[in-house]
Amino acid sequence: GAVVSQHPSWVICKSGTSVKIECRSLDFQATTMFWYRQFPKQSLMLMATSNEGSKATYEQGVEKDKFLINHASLTLSTLTVTSAHPEDSSFYICSAAGGLNYGYTFGSGTRLTVV
Amino acid sequence: KNEVEQSPQNLTAQEGEFITINCSYSVGISALHWLQQHPGGGIVSLFMLSSGKKKHGRLIATINIQEKHSSLHITASHPRDSAVYICAVLKETSGSRLTFGEGTQLTVNP
Repeated sequence: GAVVSQHPSWVICKSGTSVKIECRSLDFQATTMFWYRQFPKQSLMLMATSNEGSKATYEQGVEKDKFLINHASLTLSTLTVTSAHPEDSSFYICSAAGGLNYGYTFGSGTRLTVV
Repeated sequence: KNEVEQSPQNLTAQEGEFITINCSYSVGISALHWLQQHPGGGIVSLFMLSSGKKKHGRLIATINIQEKHSSLHITASHPRDSAVYICAVLKETSGSRLTFGEGTQLTVNP
């Protein structure tokens, strides 16, 4: 079946540093990748949508210069949290849409803690 | 009011019980998804429905397009079914973006 590999699964970083999260579709081509953020006990909040080879579309209120998204190939999308602050601590998860046969496949998520 | 409403928010059951989680939506959709989120955070897509009924193992999902309602049933529930179950719809007007319900926290006790 369709698999999206997300790394790292957890990361602790210092304030001011940048963190890169990767999502790879292992056995299908992800034409669209969604990046979500989730706070405890809350639902998924869409941050941005990226299509291979084009700029990501960010949701209202999400800073594009802070959350850099790159979707350079049909199998890899990355989210970089730049100049991280403690309020960026959250659970980040990607989801790939690879066509009707595959529906939506989610990564395993990344728990980011900024200290 | 949320476009996708789930009930109940929390559900505790004894092992072996039949479980139903409901999802109502107020918009036109092209598909509805049921997702399962485990305590570690990973999300698994259980079903994608546009009409009728689907079954996979002990899980059954139904949708009534006219009533804008879907149900997820779990037969012979087991403690490993404990998770958050999320209903998500693909709105006719939002391209490929999903709109999520708030989720239902299911706990199955042995």
